Amino acid sequence: QKEVEQDPGPLSVPEGAIVSLNCTYSNSAFQYFMWYRQYSRKGPELLMYTYSSGNKEDGRFTAQVDKSSKYISLFIRDSQPSDSATYLCAIGDNYGQNFVFGPGTRLSVLP
Amino acid sequence: DTAVSQTPKYLVTQMGNDKSIKCEQNLGHDTMYWYKQDSKKFLKIMFSYNNKELIINETVPNRFSPKSPDKAHLNLHINSLELGDSAVYFCASSQGLGDEQFFGPGTRLTVL
Repeated sequence: QKEVEQDPGPLSVPEGAIVSLNCTYSNSAFQYFMWYRQYSRKGPELLMYTYSSGNKEDGRFTAQVDKSSKYISLFIRDSQPSDSATYLCAIGDNYGQNFVFGPGTRLSVLP
Repeated sequence: DTAVSQTPKYLVTQMGNDKSIKCEQNLGHDTMYWYKQDSKKFLKIMFSYNNKELIINETVPNRFSPKSPDKAHLNLHINSLELGDSAVYFCASSQGLGDEQFFGPGTRLTVL
């Protein structure tokens, strides 16, 4: 089983839709959870960062972590065409030395 | 003001050559990283460097060596380049291990 799994998509939604992006992980030692957005030919850009179970909200973005199920989600409300990008989840261990990225989900928001 | 910068942005070279990629961060961070993103978009950590301690991903060939002249710089030197080294290489930095990482724009390496 891969350490981090993520549906690669592509995922196409109409503008204004609620988007749900998900990752599962296998190692319960992972304690840090991040979501990055990567536009084509650009470096990943940090969107959300959390280390606890539950929800964390920032504007139109909500990150959800369920450590018991080893499942993390990113919700995007009122999606915009500018949200079209690849979204990568990243999970780190307690020592911050080992970060594993999911393969990314490619999202297209259609006007 | 660019937080994490890398040079060059593009690098095309022949097999067998030795090349370096430079990375600089002006965030005052203590930890820097190198990642490789292959053609399938998998982003894999290669090295992390924190307070002069180098942590190496065991899957990285020893042809790859990071060099840190000071806390703000972590350069990546690659010896005897191979076709499979073609990828985008990203530098990143964070305040400390486990903290949020900020990425550079990437260096697209093509080995012919």
